[in-house]
Amino acid sequence: NAGVTQTPKFQVLKTGQSMTLQCAQDMNHNSMYWYRQDPGMGLRLIYYSASEGTTDKGEVPNGYNVSRLNKREFSLRLESAAPSQTSVYFCASSEWLDNSPLHFGNGTRLTVT
Amino acid sequence: AQSVTQPDIHITVSEGASLELRCNYSYGATPYLFWYVQSPGQGLQLLLKYFSGDTLVQGIKGFEAEFKRSQSSFNLRKPSVHWSDAAEYFCAVGLSGGYQKVTFGTGTKLQVIP
Repeated sequence: NAGVTQTPKFQVLKTGQSMTLQCAQDMNHNSMYWYRQDPGMGLRLIYYSASEGTTDKGEVPNGYNVSRLNKREFSLRLESAAPSQTSVYFCASSEWLDNSPLHFGNGTRLTVT
Repeated sequence: AQSVTQPDIHITVSEGASLELRCNYSYGATPYLFWYVQSPGQGLQLLLKYFSGDTLVQGIKGFEAEFKRSQSSFNLRKPSVHWSDAAEYFCAVGLSGGYQKVTFGTGTKLQVIP
């Protein structure tokens, strides 16, 4: 029972490099999310996807893009990484976009130098 | 917009002692309220949630929380803490109306000493 799987677990990038964080869920959930976690700031929503085929900006979308590839997969792309994007990134899913409980992956720790 | 305040950044308790983690929210209507726990190197896991009804809710791992409208609070409690409860705890509030916009507090890190 995998739940929400994120890859990679760790990544180091140089400023200006690009990368894609992958996320997949096997719970047949409709909604998926990307959060970033920074010390003292809790979790902040970057983008979310209410259902397959839709995506919307969250609280801190600048510098990121997302793709809802299918119902299972939701990727986050950094086109030109900046040191301010050093963070721990969490993917989450929920049954619906209605305050259903969130199920989280184990996170990706990203460092941008 | 709603907001969540967890006034305690770090709490230390002895194993076997009782625990209360504080959470206050700001929102005009009755919100959806959650407590999540994060163990080191892991994602967040739902402990319990309050949507409506009985203001005392039971969760997993022996935790409970009480919604107090008059105090805009949703404090998390456990009667007897175990060493395995050492983790970071996040309170979260969600808007009603079919739109998922959960706001998380900044977290309380719990240390358990023998």
